[in-house]
Amino acid sequence: EVQLVESGGGLVQSGGSLRLSCGASGFTFSSNWMLWVRQAPGKGLVWVSRISSDGSNTHYADSVKGRFTISRDNAKKTLYLHMNSLRADDTATYYCTRGSPAAAGTSFYYGLDVWGQGTTVTVSS
Amino acid sequence: SFELTQPSSVSVSPGQPATISCSGDVLPSQYAYWYQQKPGQAPVLVIYKDRERPSGIPERFSGSSSGTTVTLTISGVQAEDEADYYCQSGDSSGAYVVFGGGTKLTVL
Repeated sequence: EVQLVESGGGLVQSGGSLRLSCGASGFTFSSNWMLWVRQAPGKGLVWVSRISSDGSNTHYADSVKGRFTISRDNAKKTLYLHMNSLRADDTATYYCTRGSPAAAGTSFYYGLDVWGQGTTVTVSS
Repeated sequence: SFELTQPSSVSVSPGQPATISCSGDVLPSQYAYWYQQKPGQAPVLVIYKDRERPSGIPERFSGSSSGTTVTLTISGVQAEDEADYYCQSGDSSGAYVVFGGGTKLTVL
């Protein structure tokens, strides 16, 4: 079964740090782009970051650039999101999601077809 | 930056068709994708590349594109289709990903 499982969420004070993890199973993790998407309580989906299959190419939404770092360990089949200088508006459920294979035109060419169940980050001010 | 605009809500009676639009300047040149999200659940991809349907998605879900607008159509809406629907696209380089604000579909 193709599966993504996030962990690492929790309550953190404003200005603090947190590292989210996303474990993959059931597919060749090293072949696909991976992305993080977040959703604030009662709000819509917002893209956060993406990383290429080999980890060499990363991009970030303007709202997290310079504060968040996406990385991956293909040997461990795990995606990470290192979050620093957290703010109240970073409070959200964070989803990891599978993008397209590396050979596809874009990171989402075939859509974001597998999603984890999400992990909740709460930043207290 | 670029934006995708969706209506905030759509209501439809069971068995009737539902259409949800998504507009954006990037859409003539970039594919659109649609996701369904039910309360407390992760999103599910229901349409990719404007009009393709992933395996396991019912045939009543379809997508179309015309200029700066893409449309998700659910023919013969069922109670189980009540959910939030999000369109998604990206810039030409694929570096940036954007979601529409979401449309709440209510089945009357």
